[in-house]
Order: sequence, then structure tokens, then C-alpha cells
Amino acid sequence: DAGVTQSPTHLIKTRGQQVTLRCSPKSGHDTVSWYQQALGQGPQFIFQYYEEEERQRGNFPDRFSGHQFPNYSSELNVNALLLGDSALYLCASSPGHDTDTQYFGPGTRLTVL
Amino acid sequence: GQQLNQSPQSMFIQEGEDVSMNCTSSSIFNTWLWYKQDPGEGPVLLIALYKAGELTSNGRLTAQFGITRKDSFLNISASIPSDVGIYFCAGQLVPGGGADGLTFGKGTHLIIQP
Repeated sequence: DAGVTQSPTHLIKTRGQQVTLRCSPKSGHDTVSWYQQALGQGPQFIFQYYEEEERQRGNFPDRFSGHQFPNYSSELNVNALLLGDSALYLCASSPGHDTDTQYFGPGTRLTVL
Repeated sequence: GQQLNQSPQSMFIQEGEDVSMNCTSSSIFNTWLWYKQDPGEGPVLLIALYKAGELTSNGRLTAQFGITRKDSFLNISASIPSDVGIYFCAGQLVPGGGADGLTFGKGTHLIIQP
């Protein structure tokens, strides 16, 4: 049984560009949450998707957007990249929206130059 | 927004020693969680706490949910080399889930000297 998978593993972009990160949840999970983890910090909640809708959002600007597909996989899009967007982006999935049972993927390391 | 203060930032200990770390919050949480993150991987849930005063063990790990609901601690007994990693506390406002995301501390980096 595959756990949470994320792609790509690493990504390098330049300021002003746009990026799309992808996540496939653990089998049987229908809720996906995205977190940003800056170097030396704990993860920060970006938003959560359930039934293809954004249910909750953390303190992130509108440049951060997402999507959930009928198969529960999800994408995180970031527009107009800033240097400060460089971080590890973690996807977590859970059955329903019980975040205390969520499983994290290995993350996508985004570097903005 | 809520902030979690986690301490210590890092710990250098000898193999076999016991470890203690804690987390305090300016806000009340209804759920406290402890995670471990290894290099190149996402956080893995170690222990979940749901009631004030609750004491829960998972092997050599023991965690407690503070009475005030504003703090929690994690103890590791008889540390072994594979305990090396970064430990995060996380709090959640809505009991049992809900749409709120988790609020994480900044982590405690555990380093074990053989």
C-alpha cells in the first residue's frame, strides 16, 4: 500500500515564475492538506481540500492556490514566486478531515533563485 | 495567530540517556500531537493526546497533555541512535479533527553521541 507520494522531489525556479506541485494521497484517504516548511522551522498550514473544495486556509496570500481532483489527488500552485517561497512543501492526507490521523509525504523541495 | 514555543532547540545527549522536551502555547489547544521528522522525509506521528491531563505512552516515548491545555511534554527513555531526528509538537483547536490545520512548533533537534 503506497503512502502519500509527491512530485517532483526537487524543483528550481526563478523569481516571478509559477510552479505546480502534485500530491497523491494514501489509499482510502479523501482529504489533502498542504504545508510549507522553511529551513529550520516547523511546517505551516497552507490549506486543506476535501470533496474537491478548499475547506480551510492558513495565513497565506492568494498567490497560493490549489485543486483537488475526483481521485482525491491534489495540486498546489504558487504564482509570482518570491525568494521567500523557497521551502519544503509537504502534503498530508487523512480519512475525512481528521487531521490528527494525517500521513505526510516526503515533500517537494522548492528553491527560488 | 497561535504560536507554539518548543524547547530546547537542540539536545546533545549520550546513548542510553533519557530525553525531555516541551511545548507551550499562548492559546488553548484541544489536541496535542508529537511528530518526528527524519532528513528527506515528512513528519511521522508519534503520539496523539486528546484530554487535559492525559498521559500516553508509545514504547519508550511518553507524552502528557498539560492541565491548562496550553502545554505538553515528550519524554524518551533510554535513547538509542535511531532516535536522532527533529521532534515537533503540534496543536489543533478543533477536537477530533475538523477543517483546521495543525499549528507546529519549531522543533527540537536531537543528537545522540554513542
